[in-house]
Amino acid sequence: QVQLQQSGAELVKPGSSVKISCKASGYTFTSYDMHWIKQQPGNGLEWIGWIYPGNGNTKYNQKFNGKATLTADKSSSTAYMQLSSLTSEDSAVYFCASIPTDWFAYWGQGTLVTVSS
Amino acid sequence: DTVLTQSPALAVSPGERVTISCRASESVSTGMHWYQQKPGQQPKLLIYGASNLESGVPARFSGSGSGTDFTLTIDPVEADDTATYFCQQSWNDPFTFGSGTKLEIK
Repeated sequence: QVQLQQSGAELVKPGSSVKISCKASGYTFTSYDMHWIKQQPGNGLEWIGWIYPGNGNTKYNQKFNGKATLTADKSSSTAYMQLSSLTSEDSAVYFCASIPTDWFAYWGQGTLVTVSS
Repeated sequence: DTVLTQSPALAVSPGERVTISCRASESVSTGMHWYQQKPGQQPKLLIYGASNLESGVPARFSGSGSGTDFTLTIDPVEADDTATYFCQQSWNDPFTFGSGTKLEIK
């Protein structure tokens, strides 16, 4: 069965970067976009962007240009998102999600990123 | 960006019929999808393409609409349906989500 397993919670300092992972299994990793979505406590969901692991193509929500960088490792079926220049506004739960393309039948369990000195 | 507007909260009794609305600031054709999220969990897909029931989701859930006005209906509501329901559009760039409707079962 399809599974998206995300890395654990991160506590990071303002101004630093963090890289979180999403390991996919149960389907052909290179055939579907992997999306990333942000959810701040008590708030709704924001779409960050997607990466197509088959060729590395990416598309970002303009709001996250320069903030998020999406990569993928085909050999390990793992997608990554790096967040840079972190501020308190980046404290959130981040989800990876996939399949099929425009809607998301499969989600990771979420990774909590807390930005605090 | 396409803004999706949902009413913030609803409260209904078990066995009743509930409709949750989502209004888009511009047309999204039928590129509207619905999710259920319970506290501490990831969202779960319920409806895709405005009216298509995701596999494994009970037939109590249904979706309708096109253009700018969409509805998620649960009939009949059960206690386990307590959750926040989000709409998401994929027609316009960037993808956007509604702010969610918190459903309480009395």
